[in-house]
Amino acid sequence: EAGVAQSPRYKIIEKRQSVAFWCNPISGHATLYWYQQILGQGPKLLIQFQNNGVVDDSQLPKDRFSAERLKGVDSTLKIQPAKLEDSAVYLCASDVTGTTEAFFGQGTRLTVV
Amino acid sequence: GQSLEQPSEVTAVEGAIVQINCTYQTSGFYGLSWYQQHDGGAPTFLSYNALDGLEETGRFSSFLSRSDSYGYLLLQELQMKDSASYFCAVRALLTGRRALTFGSGTRLQVQP
Repeated sequence: EAGVAQSPRYKIIEKRQSVAFWCNPISGHATLYWYQQILGQGPKLLIQFQNNGVVDDSQLPKDRFSAERLKGVDSTLKIQPAKLEDSAVYLCASDVTGTTEAFFGQGTRLTVV
Repeated sequence: GQSLEQPSEVTAVEGAIVQINCTYQTSGFYGLSWYQQHDGGAPTFLSYNALDGLEETGRFSSFLSRSDSYGYLLLQELQMKDSASYFCAVRALLTGRRALTFGSGTRLQVQP
């Protein structure tokens, strides 16, 4: 079974630039999450999708972050404009409703300079 | 909301046993999960406690006491490859909102 795929693995941008991350979840997983993990901390939820609908985006900084999952499969997360404090690893995860295990991708390490 | 507290760092030697504690404050949750994350890697699922008591999976065991708002992960026969960060996490009892809330993580260093 293929895991959660994310790209790119690394990205360095200057502040005020824009950046986009891509995620392909495990086939058949209706629920997709984006987490932000700052160095030395646990992952923190940004947004949860159920199929192509947003379930929870209460912690997404909507003035600069946006995410979509148009066809209920792949998802993109965008930051525009980036700030220095956005430097973090952005993790995508997916799972199946009613199960306990979430599957994570390797993440995209973003450095904003 | 939920908050989970863990020690920031634990050091142990190969072959030993180590316990990583997790105390939490939450208005309601389904169960306590544990994830392992190596540097630069993806968090991977280790264990889940839906009910109070001990769950054993090979060298790893996890314990939950809802009355004490406390859980722990027990790692036995430590190996060098167990050096990683360990996170406890919960899912809230909110309809549809199933995202995990993670603790800040415990960095385990296994020494020869």
